[in-house]
Amino acid sequence: NTVMTQSPTSMFISVGDRVTMNCKASQNVGTNVDWYQQKTGQSPKLLIYGASNRYTGVPDRFTGSGSGTDFTLTISNMQAEDLAVYYCLQYNYNPWTFGGGTKLELK
Amino acid sequence: QVQLKETGPGLVQPTQTLSITCTVSGFSLTSYYMQWVRQTPGKGLEWMGFIRSGGSTEYNSEFKSRLSISRDTSKNQVFLKMNSLKTEDTGVYYCARRGVAPFDYWGQGVMVTVSS
Repeated sequence: NTVMTQSPTSMFISVGDRVTMNCKASQNVGTNVDWYQQKTGQSPKLLIYGASNRYTGVPDRFTGSGSGTDFTLTISNMQAEDLAVYYCLQYNYNPWTFGGGTKLELK
Repeated sequence: QVQLKETGPGLVQPTQTLSITCTVSGFSLTSYYMQWVRQTPGKGLEWMGFIRSGGSTEYNSEFKSRLSISRDTSKNQVFLKMNSLKTEDTGVYYCARRGVAPFDYWGQGVMVTVSS
């Protein structure tokens, strides 16, 4: 199976920070990677698809980049409502696999 | 307005069969793939499988031997059935739609506890 390794597993951040999190695939997955945001008690929500395409209604402070095995999600100007766990997903190979998540917490 | 809602038993005994229904509105099951994903304490988010708009299915091999996904397009419902449940299957089960991305809309999820 394709393992998606996210780093860091948690981050302590302040409102207004620029946040960068990473996702590394164990094999080349092209740009078949999405990013999802999950707030406590809620289902995940799509943020970025195809590695770099912002989904409808997602604020432009969220940016995805990368291809092959290395992917990045950046949140510029972090807001309080962005506190959540972020997951990457690869859908290039069956079984599709999620990363373990990066949790954003307030300093 | 796209909506998905899962309904299920809540508590299932080990070795028994889990049945969950996903009822959708705002789109047609004959136009979109429908997926099942679960979130467990032990393994996090796991893709389980999908049913294509044409009705064929594809499964994660980890579940293939005990998982079945089906649908009733006249009722706008998708079904998950998984047998031989174990305590490790305890978690939240989600249905989701595949649109522009693998999971563009999600249901609220249904908590399933496997316990005697």
